[in-house]
Amino acid sequence: EAQVTQNPRYLITVTGKKLTVTCSQNMNHEYMSWYRQDPGLGLRQIYYSMNVEVTDKGDVPEGYKVSRKEKRNFPLILESPSPNQTSLYFCASSSTGTRNYGYTFGSGTRLTVV
Amino acid sequence: SQQGEEDPQALSIQEGENATMNCSYKTSINNLQWYRQNSGRGLVHLILIRSNEREKHSGRLRVTLDTSKKSSSLLITASRAADTASYFCATDGLSGNTPLVFGKGTRLSVIA
Repeated sequence: EAQVTQNPRYLITVTGKKLTVTCSQNMNHEYMSWYRQDPGLGLRQIYYSMNVEVTDKGDVPEGYKVSRKEKRNFPLILESPSPNQTSLYFCASSSTGTRNYGYTFGSGTRLTVV
Repeated sequence: SQQGEEDPQALSIQEGENATMNCSYKTSINNLQWYRQNSGRGLVHLILIRSNEREKHSGRLRVTLDTSKKSSSLLITASRAADTASYFCATDGLSGNTPLVFGKGTRLSVIA
């Protein structure tokens, strides 16, 4: 089944403790992206990647890092999480070949930083 | 950014009625997409309409696009309780490197 897999689904952590949220897709998509969703603010893009070893900042990149060493994986790294990074996070992927298709989203990671 | 803005923010209708949601955006686009999100879940792609198209259908969904007004509408006919969700429009810019930009969504409640 074609899908984007995020892990973990839920995560509670303490301020300053480094964490990684994994994202993997099995559709051979070039494009991958991370969004955060907050009440009243909608979805905001954190980082995106057009292909392997190519990443770029979205609208809210501060406090986050990403890497794209393999086509299928696009982990989101929080080096020193803070309470304002408590949010619902989504990974998405898309084929950029035709731009005629939408994004496929993961099921989300609900992160709480205390 | 060319963020889409959905209107209304929330909509409540009876089962069987039609639901119409609108989206406005600011700059020229390559295409506009609509997504559905059930509470706390990932977004699901519903339909994509290109800038040279004016109307598109998919099952009970009808999407229109007016590039002169920079607006789109999503019509769900004969709504069902299972249609209860948030609906987002997203715009894809002209440049190949421009990522999708999402609006804040319309929360639809369909009452049985």
